[in-house]
Amino acid sequence: DAKTTQPNSMESNEEEPVHLPCNHSTISGTDYIHWYRQLPSQGPEYVIHGLTSNVNNRMASLAIAEDRKSSTLILHRATLRDAAVYYCILSRFQGAQKLVFGQGTRLTINP
Amino acid sequence: NAGVTQTPKFQVLKTGQSMTLQCAQDMNHNSMYWYRQDPGMGLRLIYYSASEGTTDKGEVPNGYNVSRLNKREFSLRLESAAPSQTSVYFCASSERRGKTNEQFFGPGTRLTVL
Repeated sequence: DAKTTQPNSMESNEEEPVHLPCNHSTISGTDYIHWYRQLPSQGPEYVIHGLTSNVNNRMASLAIAEDRKSSTLILHRATLRDAAVYYCILSRFQGAQKLVFGQGTRLTINP
Repeated sequence: NAGVTQTPKFQVLKTGQSMTLQCAQDMNHNSMYWYRQDPGMGLRLIYYSASEGTTDKGEVPNGYNVSRLNKREFSLRLESAAPSQTSVYFCASSERRGKTNEQFFGPGTRLTVL
């Protein structure tokens, strides 16, 4: 499985945008880029995914580099509830969607 | 919809005891998964079931068995618990949409093996 590299931790202020980077230089053509987050004492929660084009949904935006070797998860206006560990995962569907979680980025939001 | 439910929420076992973790989903998903999460780490896949009647090993299957009882339920069994199996266990389910899908996770079972 292709690996991803994320900063261990990041900090931001409430109501400001947050850009969470992810490097995945060994990504293959069939790998989708998934983002999940895990709030304290909860199971992971799906955030967004993409293949080549930038994606938007109600939670966040995903910006994918043209060469696909990196991506950025964008939270447009952070709230205290966005404090979580964010995981960037590469995955392809092979009968089932197996996810390989790294250590993720722990995001702290300051009031 | 309750989504993915797991029982029990907490469990303490002695070394060598056995137990079964239960998982059920009400979203009519084909695929189900079991993960474990050790302190400060990401999740690791133990076993998965791509569809009813099939199960496959994940990254860390040793010491575990699974049963896909029906489309809704996927159980994880520890036959002889060891302290190294102290962890939080998460069940998840998913349904394929196009070429990928999102997984829905349960709240987890916190297991301590003494």
